[in-house]
Amino acid sequence: QAVVTQEPSLTVSPGGTVTLTCGSSTGAVTSGHYSCWFQQKPGQAPRTLIYDTSNKLSWTPVRFSGSLFGGKAALTLSGAQPEDEAEYYCLLSYSSGRVFGGGTKLTVL
Amino acid sequence: EVQLVDSGGGLVKPGGSLRLSCGASGFTLSGAWMTWVRQAPGKGLEWVGRIRSEAAGGTTDYAAPVKGRFTISRDDSKNTMYLQMNSLKTEDTAVYYCKAGDNSGYWGQGTLVTVSS
Repeated sequence: QAVVTQEPSLTVSPGGTVTLTCGSSTGAVTSGHYSCWFQQKPGQAPRTLIYDTSNKLSWTPVRFSGSLFGGKAALTLSGAQPEDEAEYYCLLSYSSGRVFGGGTKLTVL
Repeated sequence: EVQLVDSGGGLVKPGGSLRLSCGASGFTLSGAWMTWVRQAPGKGLEWVGRIRSEAAGGTTDYAAPVKGRFTISRDDSKNTMYLQMNSLKTEDTAVYYCKAGDNSGYWGQGTLVTVSS
C-alpha cells in the first residue's frame, strides 16, 4: 500500500501565507491521484476543502487553494486567520483504493 | 439542509460484529460514491473503503486492514449506506465517519466503535 506523506506541523503568522504538501511513496502526485484536502478541528468531524486537486466546495474560503507543485499536491493558505488553526489531511487515489496522509497540524501564531 | 447521520456504534467484544448506518437527509445518495473513514483515538484519518454508485456498478474497495472482515452496502431506496463489521479487533476501535462523493463534500458526524473485552 502506498504511503502518503505530509509535514507533521507548520506555523504561520496571522495574515501570512503557508503551503502544505502531500507526497506519494509511488512517485510524483498527478491529477490522476484526484487529491483532496480536509480540515479538522478538535472534537469535530472533518470538512472537505478541496477535491480533484483544485476544486472548491461552496463553503471553502477563498483564501484556500489547491494545486500540484514539485511532484506533490499542495494546499496554499493565503492570508491566514486564527480560525484556520486546525489539522489538515490530504487524500490520494490509487488503483486499489485511497490513502490519507498523516495530517499537518497548522498553528496560526 | 444536508445531513449525513452515522449511527450504530457501541461497545463490542473482540471477535464480535456490528453494523453501522449512514442515513442521508436533504441529499440523494443514489448517484454518489460513498466512503467510510475512521479515526482511532488521538490518531489521524484512515480510509476504510468505498462503494460506487449503482450506475457505476455498485462495486466496493477496501483498505488492507479490513478486507475480508468489513462489507459496505447501500440501499438507495432508504437513502442509506451500511458498514457490516465482523471479526472485530481491538485495533478497530475508532470513530467511524461516512463521507459522500468528493464533489459534494459532505461528512457524517461520526459514531464511536469500541472493541474491548
